[in-house]
Amino acid sequence: KAGVTQTPRYLIKTRGQQVTLSCSPISGHRSVSWYQQTPGQGLQFLFEYFSETQRNKGNFPGRFSGRQFSNSRSEMNVSTLELGDSALYLCASSLFTADGYTFGSGTRLTVV
Amino acid sequence: TQLLEQSPQFLSIQEGENLTVYCNSSSVFSSLQWYRQEPGEGPVLLVTVVTGGEVKKLKRLTFQFGDARKDSSLHITAAQPGDTGLYLCAGEGGDGGATNKLIFGTGTLLAVQP
Repeated sequence: KAGVTQTPRYLIKTRGQQVTLSCSPISGHRSVSWYQQTPGQGLQFLFEYFSETQRNKGNFPGRFSGRQFSNSRSEMNVSTLELGDSALYLCASSLFTADGYTFGSGTRLTVV
Repeated sequence: TQLLEQSPQFLSIQEGENLTVYCNSSSVFSSLQWYRQEPGEGPVLLVTVVTGGEVKKLKRLTFQFGDARKDSSLHITAAQPGDTGLYLCAGEGGDGGATNKLIFGTGTLLAVQP
């Protein structure tokens, strides 16, 4: 079966711009989570959606937002990009979170 | 703040050697997951442990969840070059808090030389 698909794989943006990343979960998975991975901070939780509702949110500024559609596909948006937003953004989906998560390959965002 | 500390941070060993990676926290987690991540890819789930004292074996990998559900270990027997990667532990539901979010450990970068 198809895995978690994230698009685009790579992205270069300029400071001050905004960006939208997309995630298509495994078919049937209704929980979608987003994580930011950087060399300095490791993997940090951004937010989690279930049936179009945000259930959990991490400690990130309001510039980071997300949404989930009725088909469980999710997008995250970062506005007013800063150099420190350069990171690998990972999406994960789950049927039952106790069974663990399936991650996508990520979107590598570089802010210049 | 819930933190998961992994040790060692880096490990370089020869093929055939055994190794253990530790994941420690002062928080109690409802479940503990282990992932392996290769460069340019997302983490891949290896195992989930949910019961204190639980031991799970996956071929040459043995995972243990501490009795108090605050720590975990991953033991690899007869390591192979294909085991090379970043190993991450991740806790869910720390100190009775929200599930559906993972707190990741600091990571252990393993290199197995042929």
